[in-house]
Amino acid sequence: DTGVSQDPRHKITKRGQNVTFRCDPISEHNRLYWYRQTLGQGPEFLTYFQNEAQLEKSRLLSDRFSAERPKGSFSTLEIQRTEQGDSAMYLCASSRRPREQYFGPGTRLTVT
Amino acid sequence: DAKTTQPTSMDCAEGRAANLPCNHSTISGNEYVYWYRQIHSQGPQYIIHGLKNNETNEMASLIITEDRKSSTLILPHATLRDTAVYYCIGPNDYKLSFGAGTTVTVRA
Repeated sequence: DTGVSQDPRHKITKRGQNVTFRCDPISEHNRLYWYRQTLGQGPEFLTYFQNEAQLEKSRLLSDRFSAERPKGSFSTLEIQRTEQGDSAMYLCASSRRPREQYFGPGTRLTVT
Repeated sequence: DAKTTQPTSMDCAEGRAANLPCNHSTISGNEYVYWYRQIHSQGPQYIIHGLKNNETNEMASLIITEDRKSSTLILPHATLRDTAVYYCIGPNDYKLSFGAGTTVTVRA
């Protein structure tokens, strides 16, 4: 399968813990995006990378969130000191063209 | 920002065409309309996009009105696997703005 992969698929953590998610994009895609989706809502944009450069961060991405894409390949999204409000599906997408994005299956985070 | 408006939900019979409307009255002349769908527990999936001409691919057809204020996504022969939330995405460069979409339920 050469699609976008995300790991883990599910994560349960206690409030205050740090978590890190990984996204492996489609290999020839230089653009990578993170979105967050809460129950009953559409995905919301979090951040965008072109190659290794993080070009935009949404105001939804508080100081507790950090994303990296070293060497322009895989990306990680870290949440420090998790809060119950962070419970959501975290989606990664990659693309060659900006608006034709290919999404991974998501990581579902539950903060207890 | 240009916004899109879609019905909240619609039902469709299996094997029949599903016509999903979207209003995008504030779209400007060089802005494309994109459609995605999200099947339960999966990430969104790109379907099709268009500017002003009708478009067709293996998944669907897209009909855009001449004034570009609205469009219709057509699933020609809906199957149970087409049950999903369908999003009409207005222009916002790479920051896809999904909104609530239309929940389409295909019934046997």
